[in-house]
Formats: sequence, structure tokens, C-alpha cells
Amino acid sequence: EVQLVESGGGLVQPGGSLRLSCAASGFTFSSYWMNWVRQAPGKGLEWVANIKQDGSEKYYVNSVKGRFTISRDNAKNSLYLQMNSLRAEDTAVYYCARDPIIAARPLYYFDYWGQGTLVTVSS
Amino acid sequence: QSVLTQPPSVSAAPGQKVTISCSGSSSNIGNNYVSWYQQLPGTAPKLLIYDIHKRPSGIPDRFSGSKSGTSATLGITGLQTGDEADYYCGTWDSSLSAVVFGGGTKLTVL
Repeated sequence: EVQLVESGGGLVQPGGSLRLSCAASGFTFSSYWMNWVRQAPGKGLEWVANIKQDGSEKYYVNSVKGRFTISRDNAKNSLYLQMNSLRAEDTAVYYCARDPIIAARPLYYFDYWGQGTLVTVSS
Repeated sequence: QSVLTQPPSVSAAPGQKVTISCSGSSSNIGNNYVSWYQQLPGTAPKLLIYDIHKRPSGIPDRFSGSKSGTSATLGITGLQTGDEADYYCGTWDSSLSAVVFGGGTKLTVL
């Protein structure tokens, strides 16, 4: 059974940093593109970033470029999101999500999602 | 303001049919596949439809998808109270170089 379990969320002050983790199991983690998608309270979904199977390619939504870094450790079946210079508008539930294809290019949809971890940026 | 436009809410009676629209442009829906997600209250999104009209294993054929030009549509027949949820469309936007979603549509089964 495919499982994605996020952790690392919490309350952080504006300008602060936080590192999110996503533990994957039930599939060959190293074969898939992985993503972070967020959802502000009461709002819609926003794609944040994705990373290629070997970590050689990473892409970000404009609003987080230069502040967030996506990474992965295939030996630990884990996905990460390092978030720096956090702003109030980064407050959201952050989901880890899998792109379904085992290929060089992603399909840009998500077949499995974690339960999410809440990040609150507030003083 | 979302790149893809969905109606904020739709409603219908149990057993009836409802459609949810998702409007975009040539840089997104017009030239890319569309996916749809169901988000039940307090839970993570779940993939309902991919590649415009395909259903993952376990998704009943009451759910269908279609696309015409720069718009896509999710159809749900035989509505059940358990279908009450938020529904999101998504696709790749080649101008933004990002995955984009609609703002979501809340389905109420009266």
C-alpha cells in the first residue's frame, strides 16, 4: 500500500525557517517524480515544487523561488521541503504528492497524497 | 485569483446529475491534459480523473471527464450524499511553467 506521511509543520515567526519531511513507503520511491502542494486555510490547492527521480531537476512556483528548496533522499525514501524567509501567506497545509509515471518527464497530476502537515507563519 | 476558473458551488438532489466546469486558456487546458480531484471535508485530495477522461482504479463510472477547447468538465451521475466535497481541476500551464489548479467547487447534495 502506497503511503506518504508528512511531518515537520508547526508555528514559525515571519522570516523564520522550517523543514518539512515526507516519508514514503509501499512503492519504489526512487522511480517517481515527487511534489509538494499546499492549501491555505479555506482556500484552494497550489502546486509548490517538484523534483525528478534522481534530484537532478527541480522546479518551483514563482512565489517560493529563492526561498524554498525541494530535495530527496532515495536511500531513506524521503522527500523534503526547506522553507526559508517564511511569510504569512505561506501559512497552509503542505501535502506531499506523487506524480504517477516512471519516466524522464512528469505527467503533472498526482495519484497519491499524504495527509498533510500544517505550517502557520505568525508572530 | 486562480488561473483556472471553476464555479464556487453547485448543488443537486440525490440521484441526479451535476456538471462542474473548469475554464482556462491555450497555455493550460487548451494544450494539456486535465485532472480532477475530490477533497472530502478534512481530508487530502483524491485523484478522480486524469488525462481528461480516464478514471483510476476504484473510481466508479459515475464520474466522467471531458474537454472542449480551453474548458474541461467533470460530470457526476447518480449523486450520493457521500459525494459532498470540494472538487478541483488541474493541469500544466506552459506559460507559467507550473501546475495550476482551479479555485475549487463545493458540491452540495440536497
